[in-house]
Amino acid sequence: IAGITQAPTSQILAAGRRMTLRCTQDMRHNAMYWYRQDLGLGLRLIHYSNTAGTTGKGEVPDGYSVSRANTDDFPLTLASAVPSQTSVYFCASSDSERHSYNEQFFGPGTRLTVL
Amino acid sequence: GQNIDQPTEMTATEGAIVQINCTYQTSGFNGLFWYQQHAGEAPTFLSYNVLDGLEEKGRFSSFLSRSKGYSYLLLKELQMKDSASYLCAPMDSNYQLIWGAGTKLIIKP
Repeated sequence: IAGITQAPTSQILAAGRRMTLRCTQDMRHNAMYWYRQDLGLGLRLIHYSNTAGTTGKGEVPDGYSVSRANTDDFPLTLASAVPSQTSVYFCASSDSERHSYNEQFFGPGTRLTVL
Repeated sequence: GQNIDQPTEMTATEGAIVQINCTYQTSGFNGLFWYQQHAGEAPTFLSYNVLDGLEEKGRFSSFLSRSKGYSYLLLKELQMKDSASYLCAPMDSNYQLIWGAGTKLIIKP
């Protein structure tokens, strides 16, 4: 693995189903993020984690949950998917302990369609 | 509230120069990032400014004026591969990036 990987690449999901998007990084970055990107809007932060064992809510957390059991993995779960969660989801990580330069590295994204 | 403004779309000619402007209002400020995003791909880092002035990196330069809440990205000697969206993202007092909707740059031959 080099950088950040996400799985699946794309998914079509029936409304009401539970879905977990996976994200793994091998850069030993302490901070990780989940964003959604919708046409005409900027990236919106869903949840973040500054270090393993801690998580925080972003701008649009409702309907989503995350966990950070270790440094490398940061899964995003939709407990009961709704059509408004149709979007492209990006996972990112950064070495945020260097607060003066918090460059975020992005995974390739997951395109999710909820019908 | 926090707000980022950048043009939705710009068109430029191959070989020319283009300037993409960004104005921002954030709760606190810890620098500003520019990212490039090709269609269907992830954003990739271009530049970071934390002090006023111009940062030059090859064909790309980025400028920041903190007092005016203003930044621009300057792209020189445009190439067809520069066709992409350019995202302005200031960092707020919590060190979170606040993302603009992006400027779609179309390069014509």
